Amino acid sequence: DAGVIQSPRHEVTEMGQEVTLRCKPISGHDYLFWYRQTMMRGLELLIYFNNNVPIDDSGMPEDRFSAKMPNASFSTLKIQPSEPRDSAVYFCASSLGSGNTEAFFGQGTRLTVV
Amino acid sequence: GDSVTQMEGPVTLSEEAFLTINCTYTATGYPSLFWYVQYPGEGLQLLLKATKADDKGSNKGFEATYRKETTSFHLEKGSVQVSDSAVYFCALAYTGFQKLVFGTGTRLLVSP
Repeated sequence: DAGVIQSPRHEVTEMGQEVTLRCKPISGHDYLFWYRQTMMRGLELLIYFNNNVPIDDSGMPEDRFSAKMPNASFSTLKIQPSEPRDSAVYFCASSLGSGNTEAFFGQGTRLTVV
Repeated sequence: GDSVTQMEGPVTLSEEAFLTINCTYTATGYPSLFWYVQYPGEGLQLLLKATKADDKGSNKGFEATYRKETTSFHLEKGSVQVSDSAVYFCALAYTGFQKLVFGTGTRLLVSP
């Protein structure tokens, strides 16, 4: 398997624009996680899904952020409108479930909002 | 709530030095404990884990022992290499609940 695949790897956008980050989890994994990493706040869990259903979105910073998982092989994280303080590296991760808690991370999307 | 505390970095060592990165946790139950490593420009990857008290996780010369009495899971390596330079994250999770709780990460810099 190719691992967790995220796109794009880098995104530069202007303040106020909509940004969509994409993730393809490892096939057969039941859980999908979105994390944000910044120097100031470290690694933050934004939201996670089990079998395509959002389980905990308490980490989503505000209504400008939304995440979807329309099927088992695809998820999106959308920011609308984007702000400079959203600049960060966003990671997607997936795990098998069934008692196996090891998470496999993608390479991340570095978002810069100018 | 559950939390993980790691020592502040960066930790700067010379090649072949002994490494310890401290990690303590606060938990209401008996979680599994993990060390993840992040190399520059990459995502996190699992380094080692321990699922119950007194278990020792080990991989690539790194090891950590789950100490319930001191609520600790310190990472050690006897002789570090330049290629070990990375950020190391301690984390906990409960079996059956997939959510990982991460520490803030500790950057390790190893010089030749």
